Amino acid sequence: AQSVTQLGSHVSVSEGALVLLRCNYSSSVPPYLFWYVQYPNQGLQLLLKYTSAATLVKGINGFEAEFKKSETSFHLTKPSAHMSDAAEYFCAVSAGYEGSQGNLIFGKGTKLSVKP
Amino acid sequence: DSGVTQTPKHLITATGQRVTLRCSPRSGDLSVYWYQQSLDQGLQFLIHYYNGEERAKGNILERFSAQQFPDLHSELNLSSLELGDSALYFCASSARTSGGPSTDTQYFGPGTRLTVL
Repeated sequence: AQSVTQLGSHVSVSEGALVLLRCNYSSSVPPYLFWYVQYPNQGLQLLLKYTSAATLVKGINGFEAEFKKSETSFHLTKPSAHMSDAAEYFCAVSAGYEGSQGNLIFGKGTKLSVKP
Repeated sequence: DSGVTQTPKHLITATGQRVTLRCSPRSGDLSVYWYQQSLDQGLQFLIHYYNGEERAKGNILERFSAQQFPDLHSELNLSSLELGDSALYFCASSARTSGGPSTDTQYFGPGTRLTVL
């Protein structure tokens, strides 16, 4: 079975500080991993995805994530937080079980707050 | 704007009723996925259609059904509604063409917020 665990349902940082959102995965097949962001009252927007081409993945809005197989992790980082980064972030894995068609399996989400 | 549209944006109804949620995928995308987002369950995959055919089911209740039409729009039908069905329902589309895990980006619509009173 595949799953994604996001450590910390709420993370608060100061503006300009490092953002680190944690994601660990469990998968019996090589995983394809995604980070999505959800702003209040909006749908999900892709930040970045790991497709096995490179372990360090750069996304939109200055975010990046590193795939570490030995740690089964795909943590999301941003060097300097902006107020506009306040949102909920979801880590997801593309389903690889028999009969699946690439639907996403999501973590519970991490709500990021940015203090001025 | 993801290019995926969903209507209506909000829906308020009573227990026992039936509602239909509509989704239009991005131009050219053949796959439509439906997800439910609730406070207790988080984001859960419901069902996937590809080019008019059902391809996979997730945690979808028997009271729920879906279909994808020849013009590729999709509808999610929810019947005998219960209080616990109150949630945000998203559809997502992708160019997905084959089975198994995928690197395809899924583009999400703005969602339909269903409130069952």
